[in-house]
Amino acid sequence: DGGITQSPKYLFRKEGQNVTLSCEQNLNHDAMYWYRQDPGQGLRLIYYSQIVNDFQKGDIAEGYSVSREKKESFPLTVTSAQKNPTAFYLCASSPTGIGSNQPQHFGDGTRLSIL
Amino acid sequence: GQNIDQPTEMTATEGAIVQINCTYQTSGFNGLFWYQQHAGEAPTFLSYNVLDGLEEKGRFSSFLSRSKGYSYLLLKELQMKDSASYLCAVRDPGGGADGLTFGKGTHLIIQP
Repeated sequence: DGGITQSPKYLFRKEGQNVTLSCEQNLNHDAMYWYRQDPGQGLRLIYYSQIVNDFQKGDIAEGYSVSREKKESFPLTVTSAQKNPTAFYLCASSPTGIGSNQPQHFGDGTRLSIL
Repeated sequence: GQNIDQPTEMTATEGAIVQINCTYQTSGFNGLFWYQQHAGEAPTFLSYNVLDGLEEKGRFSSFLSRSKGYSYLLLKELQMKDSASYLCAVRDPGGGADGLTFGKGTHLIIQP
């Protein structure tokens, strides 16, 4: 079955540590996205990529970094510069970017907590 | 800027009908999506509206009025499994990414 796989499901970060969240899709989608979801808040866009080897900052990119070396993969690194990383992180993909009527498909999320 | 408003929480009874409203103010408009999200899980796509009117899909229907910046999601014959958060998202072609901005979601509680 095609889908989006995020791992790990739960992740703990020590102070000063960088951690990387994995996102893999086998839907052959061009565009991929990372969102952060906090309690009582909507999804906020961290980074997005419309094509391999290209990505753009979203609304809350500070303290995060991404790479898009393969179409299927869009890992997110939460750096030590992100002072409040505790949140639910969602990865999504869609067939095309701007102007598409296709919905974004989401992975099951990674819950990140601070030790 | 972009602003999307939804009620924070609603309560309804099993077997009944509930309407979840969404109002939006965006610089542009290129479609509105509704997603369902159970606690701790991924949002799943429910419906898409780009033209005015009602889109029906089984027990779920979604309505759009572009002139009023207004949409609603109508859930009929409510079941306990419908207890979830419902997210309204607007696609604004002037926005980043694919211009998708999400509301904060409406937490729907179904009572027996």
